[in-house]
Amino acid sequence: GAVVSQHPSWVICKSGTSVKIECRSLDFQATTMFWYRQFPKQSLMLMATSNEGSKATYEQGVEKDKFLINHASLTLSTLTVTSAHPEDSSFYICSARAGVPYNEQFFGPGTRLTVL
Amino acid sequence: AQSVTQPDIHITVSEGASLELRCNYSYGATPYLFWYVQSPGQGLQLLLKYFSGDTLVQGIKGFEAEFKRSQSSFNLRKPSVHWSDAAEYFCAVVDTGNQFYFGTGTSLTVIP
Repeated sequence: GAVVSQHPSWVICKSGTSVKIECRSLDFQATTMFWYRQFPKQSLMLMATSNEGSKATYEQGVEKDKFLINHASLTLSTLTVTSAHPEDSSFYICSARAGVPYNEQFFGPGTRLTVL
Repeated sequence: AQSVTQPDIHITVSEGASLELRCNYSYGATPYLFWYVQSPGQGLQLLLKYFSGDTLVQGIKGFEAEFKRSQSSFNLRKPSVHWSDAAEYFCAVVDTGNQFYFGTGTSLTVIP
């Protein structure tokens, strides 16, 4: 089956620094990638949708200047948390979809971000 | 608007007992439905999915789910639970725009 990887799997950073999380589709080309955020004991919340070569579409309430998303190639999307603060600590999960019409989304293993 | 409801926040069952996790959805057209499992600190693993056809869907790890349009439900079942099944389970529906809508999840505890 299709595999999506995320790197790093966990990261600890100081408040005010920026952190980049990579999401890669390993064996297929992902025309669309999605970024989710998950708080402890809660469901996944869609943050943004990114299509290769175009700007990401952010969900309401998600700060696009704080959560920078780049989908530069068909196999790589990055999420950069800029000037991270402790409230940004969360579990971030990406997913990738290949093509249209509907194709299943494949989820990455997630990245645990802790901001001190 | 599309939505998914998982009425049970937490379920506890004994090992070897049967399991049913409930999922109700709200969606105007024929839905695409999924069940995922998440172990602590891990990503989502797809258990099974329904697109069309047979309303009883078989998945991995001995799980199955039944789509009932009249009840807008897609309940997950397993005849005999194993201790390794303890995890968080999420039901999801996908709309025509291919956006996932997740339920709030059901946490499963398995008693030895």
